[in-house]
Amino acid sequence: EADIYQTPRYLVIGTGKKITLECSQTMGHDKMYWYQQDPGMELHLIHYSYGVNSTEKGDLSSESTVSRIRTEHFPLTLESARPSHTSQYLCASSENREYETQYFGPGTRLLVL
Amino acid sequence: GNSVTQMEGPVTLSEEAFLTINCTYTATGYPSLFWYVQYPGEGLQLLLKATKADDKGSNKGFEATYRKETTSFHLEKGSVQVSDSAVYFCALLPIQGAQKLVFGQGTRLTINP
Repeated sequence: EADIYQTPRYLVIGTGKKITLECSQTMGHDKMYWYQQDPGMELHLIHYSYGVNSTEKGDLSSESTVSRIRTEHFPLTLESARPSHTSQYLCASSENREYETQYFGPGTRLLVL
Repeated sequence: GNSVTQMEGPVTLSEEAFLTINCTYTATGYPSLFWYVQYPGEGLQLLLKATKADDKGSNKGFEATYRKETTSFHLEKGSVQVSDSAVYFCALLPIQGAQKLVFGQGTRLTINP
């Protein structure tokens, strides 16, 4: 069983607010990822990190930003939320080895009004 | 480039029916292949994986065989249960490049009692 946590699980917030979605893992994994899942189920990689102080943009352009100051923690921030940011956000992590499985957190479902 | 194509859903079956969800891929070399499952309101869980040609991944009665000749990784189960209702994602992990998972679009499965 993977130990990767996301908070909050659900968030309803007004337009223009700053939000931070938390993601933590206790497995000591070097690699971490953020995915955005649209209502049609498709998953899009928006950010990833290979380790502390490493962050990269994913395949889908996103207005969010991430940081990786500690191995176990990979928060995602939206400076000014908009209704177009309404989605489910999934965090994942994996070891830094070839063919390694990604383990996913339970997700944060965000609704911006 | 790398891509994964899954059988379009939704798929609806009766309990104890045989299940096949087709998955084909395009990739350079021999990627690792995965099936993930997403139960309602949850994140993704690894269901099974295969890392080389002719490998068979299996878990919870589900099976998939890595077929390089047909570039396929079809998911099968002999007798489905209501609790198997979920969204199923096929994915590949390329052997070259940034080691980012490439997901199919997902197949929603509903099992009726």
